[in-house]
Amino acid sequence: KAGVTQTPRYLIKTRGQQVTLSCSPISGHRSVSWYQQTPGQGLQFLFEYFSETQRNKGNFPGRFSGRQFSNSRSEMNVSTLELGDSALYLCASSLLGRGETQYFGPGTRLLVL
Amino acid sequence: DAKTTQPPSMDCAEGRAANLPCNHSTISGNEYVYWYRQIHSQGPQYIIHGLKNNETNEMASLIITEDRKSSTLILPHATLRDTAVYYCIVPSNFGNEKLTFGTGTRLTIIP
Repeated sequence: KAGVTQTPRYLIKTRGQQVTLSCSPISGHRSVSWYQQTPGQGLQFLFEYFSETQRNKGNFPGRFSGRQFSNSRSEMNVSTLELGDSALYLCASSLLGRGETQYFGPGTRLLVL
Repeated sequence: DAKTTQPPSMDCAEGRAANLPCNHSTISGNEYVYWYRQIHSQGPQYIIHGLKNNETNEMASLIITEDRKSSTLILPHATLRDTAVYYCIVPSNFGNEKLTFGTGTRLTIIP
């Protein structure tokens, strides 16, 4: 089985722009979670989607949003980028999102200039 | 999530067993212990998880104490590729898919 894939792997944007990141879960997995990792804050939970619905949300501003499609693929969007949004964005998938093992993708490294 | 405590760093000689401890004294009776590792700038890699009994897979062994307040991840024959940050996590079992990562243990395998 193919693992979790994320595109793009690297991205450079400037302040004020917006960005969309994509995540394809493991085949058959219906829950997708997003995390942000920075050197100062570590790995922090952004949100989780299941059956095209956001089921859990972390403590991030409304500039961070996401969605999930009927094939379980997910996108996250960050609007009005700030320098502090520079980070590694990770997505993880699990079968039903009810305590099963989560498997992570390689991440998208975003640099905001 | 139950709070976990890990040493910030450890060294291990190549070819020897690496034993990584984790304290999770507030763990509830039906919460699992998960271990992930993250090699520099890559996504976290699932290693193993367990509830009460010791577990072993192709990557590692997990030893959980009888009172479940601590556990040890064992990499039996460490290689240079095992150099990574290792995270011990006890996710909430209330259906919340949020994983809380602490600072983990930075394991360095020495040639």
